[in-house]
Amino acid sequence: NAGVTQTPKFQVLKTGQSMTLQCAQDMNHEYMSWYRQDPGMGLRLIHYSVGAGITDQGEVPNGYNVSRSTTEDFPLRLLSAAPSQTSVYFCASRMIERSYGYTFGSGTRLTVV
Amino acid sequence: GDSVTQMEGPVTLSEEAFLTINCTYTATGYPSLFWYVQYPGEGLQLLLKATKADDKGSNKGFEATYRKETTSFHLEKGSVQVSDSAVYFCALSALGDQGGKLIFGQGTELSVKP
Repeated sequence: NAGVTQTPKFQVLKTGQSMTLQCAQDMNHEYMSWYRQDPGMGLRLIHYSVGAGITDQGEVPNGYNVSRSTTEDFPLRLLSAAPSQTSVYFCASRMIERSYGYTFGSGTRLTVV
Repeated sequence: GDSVTQMEGPVTLSEEAFLTINCTYTATGYPSLFWYVQYPGEGLQLLLKATKADDKGSNKGFEATYRKETTSFHLEKGSVQVSDSAVYFCALSALGDQGGKLIFGQGTELSVKP
């Protein structure tokens, strides 16, 4: 089925560890984004990409890194995990035409202890 | 900056009751407006959208009208079901802003009792 696939679904990290959250879409969407969802704060943009080789920062980029080597994949790297990065992470993608809205993955629930 | 404000929840209704979730926004220009729904343990799904003033988005019995004069995009449903229990997010996407990023409201949790 066409859509946005995120792995893993759950992860527990120790403070200081690094990891990569994977995101892949098979809809040939140009735009891809990473959001984090925290209680009472809605969803906030971490990083986004408007095409392969092009990435930029969102509202809360500190502690995260991204790259976009292909249209399909947009991994999010946590460089040195901190408890403040405990959250649910969503990857989303859309066509260039913004009125179509974003398609979201099912999320990765990350706990940093 | 651009922002979205939703009515606070949780909202608890009986089955077949009428639903309204208020959403107002602040934005320059003409944003696109969206309602997303999140069922427990799942990601966000696009429920409906509107791209210009007076547009009405509709899907699965839900409706919302883009009101530029009141900067609102209230979500309504005439008769809710238990299966509508979820968290509902209002969002806007402003032209040319960070890849057309979505700016979300806080979310409104809806619980429908049989």
